[in-house]
Amino acid sequence: KAGVTQTPRYLIKTRGQQVTLSCSPISGHRSVSWYQQTPGQGLQFLFEYFSETQRNKGNFPGRFSGRQFSNSRSEMNVSTLELGDSALYLCASSLNVNEKLFFGSGTQLSVL
Amino acid sequence: KNEVEQSPQNLTAQEGEFITINCSYSVGISALHWLQQHPGGGIVSLFMLSSGKKKHGRLIATINIQEKHSSLHITASHPRDSAVYICAVCQGAQKLVFGQGTRLTINP
Repeated sequence: KAGVTQTPRYLIKTRGQQVTLSCSPISGHRSVSWYQQTPGQGLQFLFEYFSETQRNKGNFPGRFSGRQFSNSRSEMNVSTLELGDSALYLCASSLNVNEKLFFGSGTQLSVL
Repeated sequence: KNEVEQSPQNLTAQEGEFITINCSYSVGISALHWLQQHPGGGIVSLFMLSSGKKKHGRLIATINIQEKHSSLHITASHPRDSAVYICAVCQGAQKLVFGQGTRLTINP
């Protein structure tokens, strides 16, 4: 069974640009959650989708958005990039809430 | 004060030692996760607990809901156990609040 796949693995953008990250969950998993990891703030929850519906959202500005498609694949978008958005973005999938999480390898975003 | 506190922040031990990492939290939770992160970023879920105790190989995780405390134990530690161990509490719909992590180094 394939694991959680995140693309791209690395990304370099400049301030003001926007970026879209992709996450393909494990087959059969309907919950996809996104997390940001920085050296200063550690790991923080961004949002979670289940069956194309956002069920929960973390404390991030509206520049951070996401969506989930009918095949459970998910994308997150960051508009008007800021230097502070440089981070490792991780997604995780699970069968449902309070189930074991399976993490992707992450997308390392650098904003110059 | 952080909602999830881990101790110690750094731990260095010799191969074979018994390791304990502690996690205390101050919020209501639906479950607690123990995660392992190796250099390079990959995160592996070790345990998900809502009560009691779980064991997998040399790893044991316990949780006391009344005291809002969890521990991760590693028996017969090995250099390959060297990693960052992260406690995370779930507040519903995979909304995780993370501890700051414990950097574990096991010397041969």
